[in-house]
Amino acid sequence: DVKVTQSSRYLVKRTGEKVFLECVQDMDHENMFWYRQDPGLGLRLIYFSYDVKMKEKGDIPEGYSVSREKKERFSLILESASTNQTSMYLCASSWEATGTEAFFGQGTRLTVV
Amino acid sequence: AQKVTQAQTEISVVEKEDVTLDCVYETRDTTYYLFWYKQPPSGELVFLIRRNSFDEQNEISGRYSWNFQKSTSSFNFTITASQVVDSAVYFCASPLPGGATNKLIFGTGTLLAVQP
Repeated sequence: DVKVTQSSRYLVKRTGEKVFLECVQDMDHENMFWYRQDPGLGLRLIYFSYDVKMKEKGDIPEGYSVSREKKERFSLILESASTNQTSMYLCASSWEATGTEAFFGQGTRLTVV
Repeated sequence: AQKVTQAQTEISVVEKEDVTLDCVYETRDTTYYLFWYKQPPSGELVFLIRRNSFDEQNEISGRYSWNFQKSTSSFNFTITASQVVDSAVYFCASPLPGGATNKLIFGTGTLLAVQP
């Protein structure tokens, strides 16, 4: 079974802190994604990576950066956390080809106070 | 632009009722894919089904069935004889066109509450 593991289920951070959300997949997938989920807005893509050290901005990259130094690991970085980044963050991975399904982690609920 | 619309925000049914979740998509591609995912209260999205634009056959899997109609740009999901365990948020999704990047765009989701 494919497994996508996010390092934390719940996080509480203070405004201005640098926050790291970690995601690891065990299926050698080329693609990895970070989404943000907010009520009424569905899932919005923050960043996408299609290979080690390769990344593309999604729909809402402002205030975020990412790192992919190894194929299995994709980190989302909040450079200076703000209260409007309080949200559920979902990591996913998939094979490269269009039309293959994505596999999701359990999500990290981040609260910035 | 590619777009996926789920007009139903919340649906509440009583156990054993049938329920249909609507999904309408917009695309200019001739080849495209559509997905349904389920998000139970635990939070992890679970893949349910994928359809491609060349296959308009309806799909049935147990109590679940999917109706794909290109003429109305819809990919609706029906749960027959709903159960409490079906309570979840359901998302319809489609990859962005243009290239093999497989970036999924999601609808806003439909929260299904099945009451005992």
